Amino acid sequence: DAGVIQSPRHEVTEMGQEVTLRCKPISGHNSLFWYRQTMMRGLELLIYFNNNVPIDDSGMPEDRFSAKMPNASFSTLKIQPSEPRDSAVYFCASSLGQYPGDTQYFGPGTRLTVL
Amino acid sequence: AQKITQTQPGMFVQEKEAVTLDCTYDTSDQSYGLFWYKQPSSGEMIFLIYQGSYDEQNATEGRYSLNFQKARKSANLVISASQLGDSAMYFCAMRERSSGGSYIPTFGRGTSLIVHP
Repeated sequence: DAGVIQSPRHEVTEMGQEVTLRCKPISGHNSLFWYRQTMMRGLELLIYFNNNVPIDDSGMPEDRFSAKMPNASFSTLKIQPSEPRDSAVYFCASSLGQYPGDTQYFGPGTRLTVL
Repeated sequence: AQKITQTQPGMFVQEKEAVTLDCTYDTSDQSYGLFWYKQPSSGEMIFLIYQGSYDEQNATEGRYSLNFQKARKSANLVISASQLGDSAMYFCAMRERSSGGSYIPTFGRGTSLIVHP
């Protein structure tokens, strides 16, 4: 079975540009997570969807960030406008459900560089 | 307060030796899940092992075992017979109930493990 798929794997953009990151969760998984990883802040949960509905977006840094999950097999994380401090690795993860024992499986990540 | 604390930023171990990576957690919930992930230099996050808060036996997966001490809120990862390919960052994580009722995951800052030949 395919794991979590993310695209693009690398993105280099200029400050002020819009960036869209994409994620396809594992088929049958009902929960989806977006994370950001930096050396300074470690791995931060940005937003969490269950059954395509945002459950917790308290980690979304500011209004420049938005995330959608239009269906069970696709999610996007958008940054508009992007800033150099948004440079990080963005991971998408999915789990079967929303219970404490439901393991998250991670995608390969998108390395974003904002110049 | 930190939910997950990994006090060892870096660890070194000789090949074939065992190593313990420390993790303590903070929760007032009775029902929670504890996880360990490996992140090699290539960057992917690989799930290693899971321990449920109600599990009485320590979890094991091949060379990985989780030393679960509930009263101490400790969930240390033990890697037996270390291999060069075990060199990586290791993250401890917990999934506990949030104020909104859903189970939110939190990760520690990680421990870098280097295995020497």
